[in-house]
Amino acid sequence: DGGITQSPKYLFRKEGQNVTLSCEQNLNHDAMYWYRQDPGQGLRLIYYSQIVNDFQKGDIAEGYSVSREKKESFPLTVTSAQKNPTAFYLCASSITGGTASGNTIYFGEGSWLTVV
Amino acid sequence: AQSVTQLGSHVSVSEGALVLLRCNYSSSVPPYLFWYVQYPNQGLQLLLKYTSAATLVKGINGFEAEFKKSETSFHLTKPSAHMSDAAEYFCAVTPRNQGGKLIFGQGTELSVKP
Repeated sequence: DGGITQSPKYLFRKEGQNVTLSCEQNLNHDAMYWYRQDPGQGLRLIYYSQIVNDFQKGDIAEGYSVSREKKESFPLTVTSAQKNPTAFYLCASSITGGTASGNTIYFGEGSWLTVV
Repeated sequence: AQSVTQLGSHVSVSEGALVLLRCNYSSSVPPYLFWYVQYPNQGLQLLLKYTSAATLVKGINGFEAEFKKSETSFHLTKPSAHMSDAAEYFCAVTPRNQGGKLIFGQGTELSVKP
């Protein structure tokens, strides 16, 4: 089945650790996105990539890093610089991310990150 | 900057009653508009979207939304609520000159009473 796979579903991080959330899509989409969801705050964009080997910061990029070495993969690293990382993280993709948008953005099932 | 406002963080209706979830956007140029639904601990699923075709958009699960430019609104409705409609609903916009990024409202949690 085509879709977006995020792993792991649940992840625990100790203070000072970096952790990486995986996101893989087999939809042949050019654009991929990472959103953070906190209760009562909707979703906020962390990073997005419109094409392989290129990505841009979203609204809350501080303390996060990404890479886009392959079209189907867009991993997110939550670094120790992110002071409040506990949240639900959602990966998404769309067929293109260009200005001729209105394309549907599809979401994965999400990953819970908790700092312990 | 573009923003999206969802009136009411929590809406409660009885089973069989009308569902109305409100969404207003701020933009002089109508953006592309979306409604997503999220069930607990899951990702978001697209209900419907407006991309400047018909102003009344029909989506999945019996939902529909009407784009009203004069009111900068895109309210979501369903004539008769079902217990399975209980979920969180998000209105989102993609500004026409900012690529494919989505700007989300705060979300509205819908409860359905038997």
